[in-house]
Amino acid sequence: DQQVKQNSPSLSVQEGRISILNCDYTNSMFDYFLWYKKYPAEGPTFLISISSIKDKNEDGRFTVFLNKSAKHLSLHIVPSQPGDSAVYFCAARAPMRFGAGTRLTVKP
Amino acid sequence: DAGVIQSPRHEVTEMGQEVTLRCKPISGHNSLFWYRQTMMRGLELLIYFNNNVPIDDSGMPEDRFSAKMPNASFSTLKIQPSEPRDSAVYFCASSSTRVPDTQYFGPGTRLTVL
Repeated sequence: DQQVKQNSPSLSVQEGRISILNCDYTNSMFDYFLWYKKYPAEGPTFLISISSIKDKNEDGRFTVFLNKSAKHLSLHIVPSQPGDSAVYFCAARAPMRFGAGTRLTVKP
Repeated sequence: DAGVIQSPRHEVTEMGQEVTLRCKPISGHNSLFWYRQTMMRGLELLIYFNNNVPIDDSGMPEDRFSAKMPNASFSTLKIQPSEPRDSAVYFCASSSTRVPDTQYFGPGTRLTVL
């Protein structure tokens, strides 16, 4: 069962613009959400997280928004850089469940 | 810190053979997770250990899969007998009680079963 869904398998954005990656979940018991970033031939690395008691968390160019009523979260990257090109996984706990990932390509 | 270490990085085997994947978590971390990544299902949690004890193995697909953690610094994931549909990248991750929600992943083992 796919409790965490990333419906866009890929996204292409121009350098300097905003990247918005979306994630939907079905389990209302999830209380913590995370985004991981993965480069080819490497394991995922933690990027940013948000507790269910918040609706926004910001860390530099990365901001995560949580809409609990819609069971939806998004990751905003502003401005996007070519080095941000990677696969981004949305995750929720507990227990930990991951989405299928969205491949972001930032074009120079 | 060396990070999470997995071996081998690549494994090619024939259907019916036994496969053993190995993981060394980050020193001091007390939780260890095994994941499988496929194109169709993304990252799936197979099993996780806390203080070397299996806590949740509901993600283990079938009895052909087994995992052990004999001590705090080593874990194995075994597939016996292997099948072509087991082909995937298998990740090991670890976390500490201080920051339980941040898991540190190893580089993965790419398994191909012919």
